[in-house]
Amino acid sequence: NTKITQSPRYLILGRANKSLECEQHLGHNAMYWYKQSAEKPPELMFLYNLKQLIRNETVPSRFIPECPDSSKLLLHISAVDPEDSAVYFCASSQQGQKFSNERLFFGHGTKLSVL
Amino acid sequence: QQKVQQSPESLTVSEGAMASLNCTFSDGTSNNFRWYRQHSAKGLEVLVSIFSDGEKEEGRFTAHLNRANLHVSLHIREPQPSDSAVYLCAVSINYGNEKITFGAGTKLTIKP
Repeated sequence: NTKITQSPRYLILGRANKSLECEQHLGHNAMYWYKQSAEKPPELMFLYNLKQLIRNETVPSRFIPECPDSSKLLLHISAVDPEDSAVYFCASSQQGQKFSNERLFFGHGTKLSVL
Repeated sequence: QQKVQQSPESLTVSEGAMASLNCTFSDGTSNNFRWYRQHSAKGLEVLVSIFSDGEKEEGRFTAHLNRANLHVSLHIREPQPSDSAVYLCAVSINYGNEKITFGAGTKLTIKP
């Protein structure tokens, strides 16, 4: 799937600040950040619809999402913790509205390893 | 809170034999079910979506939904080694994509 690109693919951090990037070329209005820890299913972190933050799950404040336009999504991370080691997936869907049965399209993920 | 459980945790099937995976959910108002496949260190690929009781086929993948029994299954016809992956069941209610709950997954291995 090259229609949703994420960068970087791998990220190894000490206690530095870093940003994950995602861009979708599907013309979708909704974008999501999911976190998948080892041996666990994906968990929703943030959902944007038309650049508006619709759902902000209870995640540590060191994670700050940003949606500069409807095709791009950023995740800023500051002072990472070892528990943040996981794969972070970006996803998108057409409308992102309630009562929607539309499917999600996932990127390949960014694997974050915290030293 | 919705609980989604998958069984078995892992499954090994010979190439060409039917592979069957199970998923149970706790919220009877759920009406949005998808099966995803995840190859190692890669993103999720949707295989089949089902929204009402019965059967839905997408190529070699067939989902069966029985909401009264809180159960949805996935059957893979003529599996190939390339189908070896983790299969995730995703369930949501009327809030659509805002309230998706994923199961922990079934690791499927297809032996040549």
